[in-house]
Order: sequence, then structure tokens, then C-alpha cells
Amino acid sequence: QTVVTQEPSLTVSPGGTVTLTCASSTGAVTSGYFPNWFQQKPGQAPRTLIYGTTKKHSWTPARFSGSLLGGKAALTLSGVQPEDEAEYHCLLYYGRVLNWVSGGGTKLTVL
Amino acid sequence: QVQLVQSGAEIKKPGASVKVSCKASGYTFTSYNVHWVRQAPGQGLEWVGIMEYTGDSYTAYAQRFQGRVTVTRDTSTSTVYMELSSLRAEDTAVYYCAREAPGGDFDYWGQGTLVAVSS
Repeated sequence: QTVVTQEPSLTVSPGGTVTLTCASSTGAVTSGYFPNWFQQKPGQAPRTLIYGTTKKHSWTPARFSGSLLGGKAALTLSGVQPEDEAEYHCLLYYGRVLNWVSGGGTKLTVL
Repeated sequence: QVQLVQSGAEIKKPGASVKVSCKASGYTFTSYNVHWVRQAPGQGLEWVGIMEYTGDSYTAYAQRFQGRVTVTRDTSTSTVYMELSSLRAEDTAVYYCAREAPGGDFDYWGQGTLVAVSS
């Protein structure tokens, strides 16, 4: 069974920098997994921040960036704001058999 | 503007079926894949299935839902449907539809539909 793993929770101070990661049980994550990162606040639908590893939408704040780091997909927040407190989910593509698999989400606390 | 508007909450008994709709607007419906993703209470996201934009309406489903889920579409109303049968308590979740743009970009999401399964 393919498992995607994220940190369950992270805490960061306002103005700080934090990196969230997304690992695959099958090995190193590459751009071929088309990593997506979503932000979700309580009671809301997910909102896509990053797709295709590093690409941003027009609504993605500049302080968010995506990358590959040590065999994982990564989402880095630089200059964290209080409104960044949310759940962050990653989604990876495994081809036309498994299709897409998501991680369990990371609850980010800004404190 | 692109919008995906889903049908309202459903309460079902175990063993029943549910059909959730996702009406698209603001873009060419037949040019984009549409996915279904669910989220159980307090849990992460779980990919359920896809309706591809191709003319033959190709679908694919997560293995754990095989045989229980069916995704269809009505191009005349720009609506995608997800039907889940043999419901059990563990299927209680918010079900989302999401559009996939080129490059594997889940760019727009529906507002979600709560499906509650309880006897």
C-alpha cells in the first residue's frame, strides 16, 4: 500500500520560516509526481497554493514556495503570518493505476 | 469566473446509496478532468476518482472504492456526479469535486458536500 507522509503538526512564530514535507513510501519524490499543496482552514474547502512542485497560482502569497528537498516534496513559508495557521495537505500522482494519493495533512500553528 | 457548485448535505442509512452532483460553470466543461476527493471528520484528504475530459468519458477510481463508486457526467448541464453505494459509517465525510488543469493542477474546488451515514 502506497503511503504519503507529512508531519502531523508544526509550530512557528510569526515572521519565522517553516518547511513542511511530503514523503512517499515508494522512494524519492520527483517532479513526475506533480506535487500539489493545499491550504485548508476550518469549515472551508481546500485551496491550492502550489502545483507541479513549484508553480504558484495568482492567489498564492509570495511567502509560499514549493520545492524538492532530500527526496521529498516541500512547502516553505517565509515570513509567516498569523493567517497562515491552517491545515496543509500534499497530493502526489502515481500514474494511471494508483492515480493520486494524499498525505494525512500538517496542522500548522502560528504562535 | 470558474465555479464548481455541489449539491446539499445528505443523511443516509447503512447500505443505501448516495449521488452527489458538481455543476461547473465559467469554463469549457469538456476540456478539463474533474476529480472527487473526500475528507472524513478530523482526517486528511482521500482521492476517490476521476472523470477525464476525453470524449469517451474515461473514469478511474481508488482501489478501495472499486465496485462501489461510479462517476458520470452530463455534458448538457456541465455536471459531474459521484455515486457511492453500500454505504457504511466509515463513508461519513465531506466529498469535494475539483477541477484539474494541465500540469496536474487541482485549481478549483467545489464547496463540499457532507454525506453522513447513520442508522
